Amino acid sequence: AQSVAQPEDQVNVAEGNPLTVKCTYSVSGNPYLFWYVQYPNRGLQFLLKYITGDNLVKGSYGFEAEFNKSQTSFHLKKPSALVSDSALYFCAVRDDNYGQNFVFGPGTRLSVLP
Amino acid sequence: DAGVIQSPRHEVTEMGQEVTLRCKPISGHDYLFWYRQTMMRGLELLIYFNNNVPIDDSGMPEDRFSAKMPNASFSTLKIQPSEPRDSAVYFCASSPGQGWWDEQYFGPGTRLTVT
Repeated sequence: AQSVAQPEDQVNVAEGNPLTVKCTYSVSGNPYLFWYVQYPNRGLQFLLKYITGDNLVKGSYGFEAEFNKSQTSFHLKKPSALVSDSALYFCAVRDDNYGQNFVFGPGTRLSVLP
Repeated sequence: DAGVIQSPRHEVTEMGQEVTLRCKPISGHDYLFWYRQTMMRGLELLIYFNNNVPIDDSGMPEDRFSAKMPNASFSTLKIQPSEPRDSAVYFCASSPGQGWWDEQYFGPGTRLTVT
């Protein structure tokens, strides 16, 4: 079965500092990994995805994520946080043994402090 | 493209009433997903369709919930009778479904409150 863990419920970071939101996963087949962001009272917005190839993936709004197969991790990063990055972040995995559905992590609330 | 469209955006109803949530996926997308989001349980997949056919409904909580997709541009999620514990935000998402690499595109959600 596929599963996703986001070990931190909340991440606080000062504006201008680098941020990391952690994600680990478990799949039986090949992993396809995604990050989404949710702003208050909005739907989830796609940020980036890992399919294959380069382990460092770049996405929207200056975010990037690093795929690490040995650690089964896909951490979201940004070199310099903005107050407007404050939101709820979800990691999701699709296992090609289990069809088109995603499994989402529980979410991590990011607060960027001015 | 207008994106995934959901209606209504907010629904307040009394326990025992029937509730119908509606979704219009992005044109050309073969997959449609219904999710429920609550503080306690996070984001849960309820059911998903491929080419209007339900593929996996194992996430549907109980027989009070039903979902249909009569054509490629419309889907409904119905709760009958509704209960206070059904209060949540319900999201619809669609995906092109061309490969494992496809992301899902989410609608703005319907906030359901059952009193």
